[in-house]
Amino acid sequence: IQMTQSPSSLSASVGDRVTITCRASQPFTTSLNWYQQKPGKAPKLLIYAASSLQSGVPSRFSGSGSGTDFTLTINSLQPEDFATYYCQQSYITPGFGQGTRLEMK
Amino acid sequence: EVQLVESGGGLIQPGGSLGLSCAVSGFTVSFNYMAWVRQAPGKGLEWVSVIYTDGTSYYADSVKGRFTISRDNSKNTLVLQMNSLRAEDTAVYYCARDVSAGDYIFDHWGQGTLVTVSS
Repeated sequence: IQMTQSPSSLSASVGDRVTITCRASQPFTTSLNWYQQKPGKAPKLLIYAASSLQSGVPSRFSGSGSGTDFTLTINSLQPEDFATYYCQQSYITPGFGQGTRLEMK
Repeated sequence: EVQLVESGGGLIQPGGSLGLSCAVSGFTVSFNYMAWVRQAPGKGLEWVSVIYTDGTSYYADSVKGRFTISRDNSKNTLVLQMNSLRAEDTAVYYCARDVSAGDYIFDHWGQGTLVTVSS
C-alpha cells in the first residue's frame, strides 16, 4: 500500500489550526499512525490506530479517518510543533508517507 | 526508563559489511516485536526489517537477502547485520519497538546511527 501525504509542505503561524492528509492506495483496516520528527531527532509517535492519542502527547493533536483517507489535525499551533510529520500504515509490512514539513510563516 | 541506543554505524565501502547494534534498557527485547527503520539524508522514513518474539523476521525488498535481523538476548540487544552494502543504503538507521506486536506501532525509538556507503 502506498501512502500519499498532502501537502508536502505547509507554512503556518503560532495559534493556527492545520490539517495534514494521508491517502492510501487501497483501503486497509490495520493501524494508521502519525509521527513527528524534528531535525536530527528520532521520530516520535503522536497518534496510533488513526485516532488514539499516544500517552504524553498534547491534546491539540488529533487524528481521524478510515479506509483510505486519514487526517492529522493540530489545533492552536505551538512553536514546538514546527517539524515534519509522517503517516504510517501497518498493512502486512509498514510503510510511511513521504512526509509533510510544517514551517513557521 | 526506556532507552534504545544504536551503535556500529560508520563509513564503509560499497560491497562491504557492517553490523549495527541497538542496546535496550527498560524492557526485554525478546518479549517485543522490534524493527529497524532508516532515513536517507534529506529523505523520508523507510522500514527495513522486523523480528517477532518467535524469531520470525521480515525484510523490505530493498534489503532482502543482504540484511539479517537478530537478537542477542544475553545483552538485551537488537542486531542488524548488513552485507553487500550499496550507496543507496546510506542512511541513519533507527531501531524501534512495535508496542502493538504486529500492528507496527513504533512507540520507542533510538537516536539513530549513521551508515555511509562510499568509496
